[in-house]
Amino acid sequence: GAVVSQHPSRVICKSGTSVKIECRSLDFQATTMFWYRQFPKQSLMLMATSNEGSKATYEQGVEKDKFLINHASLTLSTLTVTSAHPEDSSFYICSAGPGQGLQPQHFGDGTRLSIL
Amino acid sequence: AQSVAQPEDQVNVAEGNPLTVKCTYSVSGNPYLFWYVQYPNRGLQFLLKYITGDNLVKGSYGFEAEFNKSQTSFHLKKPSALVSDSALYFCAVRDDGGATNKLIFGTGTLLAVQP
Repeated sequence: GAVVSQHPSRVICKSGTSVKIECRSLDFQATTMFWYRQFPKQSLMLMATSNEGSKATYEQGVEKDKFLINHASLTLSTLTVTSAHPEDSSFYICSAGPGQGLQPQHFGDGTRLSIL
Repeated sequence: AQSVAQPEDQVNVAEGNPLTVKCTYSVSGNPYLFWYVQYPNRGLQFLLKYITGDNLVKGSYGFEAEFNKSQTSFHLKKPSALVSDSALYFCAVRDDGGATNKLIFGTGTLLAVQP
């Protein structure tokens, strides 16, 4: 079945550091990928839709300069948290689906980001 | 606008007993509904979906869900719960307002199966 790989699984770094998270579709091409943020014991909050070859679409309230998204190929999207601060600590999850229509999204295993 | 509601933050059930995790939806067009499961510190795993057809949808790991149009519900069920079913369950609806298959998630229900 469709597999989405997310890397790294965990990051601990100092405040002010920029952190890049990768999301890869391993056995299918994805023109669209999604980035979510999940707080403890809460649901997934969609941050942005990553579009291959064009700008990402950000949800209301998400700072595009803070959370840089690049989708340079059909199998890779990256999320960079720039100048991270403790309030950016969270669980970040990406998803992608093969093709359009009503196929289910497949999720990466998430990245636990901890900013000290 | 599309939305889903999961009225229970947590459901407790004894191993071997049937389980139900509730979900209701609100859509302006055709409902495209999904259930996902999340284990600790992991991403979400797809369980099943309803697009059209039979109201009873069978999915992974013995789970099934019943689509009820009159009650706008899509409850997740399993005849006999396992301790290993303990996890966080999310109901989702496809956002049909856009060109992508973006999902809108419920708040999640923590299922705790006691041995």
